[in-house]
Amino acid sequence: GQNIDQPTEMTATEGAIVQINCTYQTSGFNGLFWYQQHAGEAPTFLSYNVLDGLEEKGRFSSFLSRSKGYSYLLLKELQMKDSASYLCAVVTGTASKLTFGTGTRLQVTL
Amino acid sequence: DTGVSQDPRHKITKRGQNVTFRCDPISEHNRLYWYRQTLGQGPEFLTYFQNEAQLEKSRLLSDRFSAERPKGSFSTLEIQRTEQGDSAMYLCASSFGGGESGNTIYFGEGSWLTVV
Repeated sequence: GQNIDQPTEMTATEGAIVQINCTYQTSGFNGLFWYQQHAGEAPTFLSYNVLDGLEEKGRFSSFLSRSKGYSYLLLKELQMKDSASYLCAVVTGTASKLTFGTGTRLQVTL
Repeated sequence: DTGVSQDPRHKITKRGQNVTFRCDPISEHNRLYWYRQTLGQGPEFLTYFQNEAQLEKSRLLSDRFSAERPKGSFSTLEIQRTEQGDSAMYLCASSFGGGESGNTIYFGEGSWLTVV
């Protein structure tokens, strides 16, 4: 079966750094995506990891450890507009099927 | 805007009625996916097309659901005899090549279905 775990909610202060963790147990692994989703809107692509290590893209970085079934998304210099849900999704099988976690709702406060 | 577009964005229907959603993927994307998302949950995979061929269907997709992509471009998702449990956001996504190759999968803004 597929199991992807993320914290349900997190709160952080504007200007701070926050790390959102994702652990997975899936049959097959072909990479891991992070998406941002504002309420009522489409998920938008943030990052993709398939090899172990850190991928940095501006204020956002994503890390993957395949042996541990673990990833995190790091958000730096938080802004109010970063308040959203962050979805971890594992690519399984040749169908490129994405299996999503339930998402982490991040609230950025002043 | 040349992103994934979905229509209608919102649909309210009475239980037992049929509904159809349309998705126009990003031009030249050969893969098209349908997902369903309920409040507080991540999207759940329903089905996927490579060009016009429907290659995988989830067990979530009961026989009341049918999806087509007749010419390998736009796709439709039809739900027959809707039930209240069908109330959800139906997301379409597309990509050129597969996510397993790191190709980004782009999502549309979704079609909200409310069954009353």
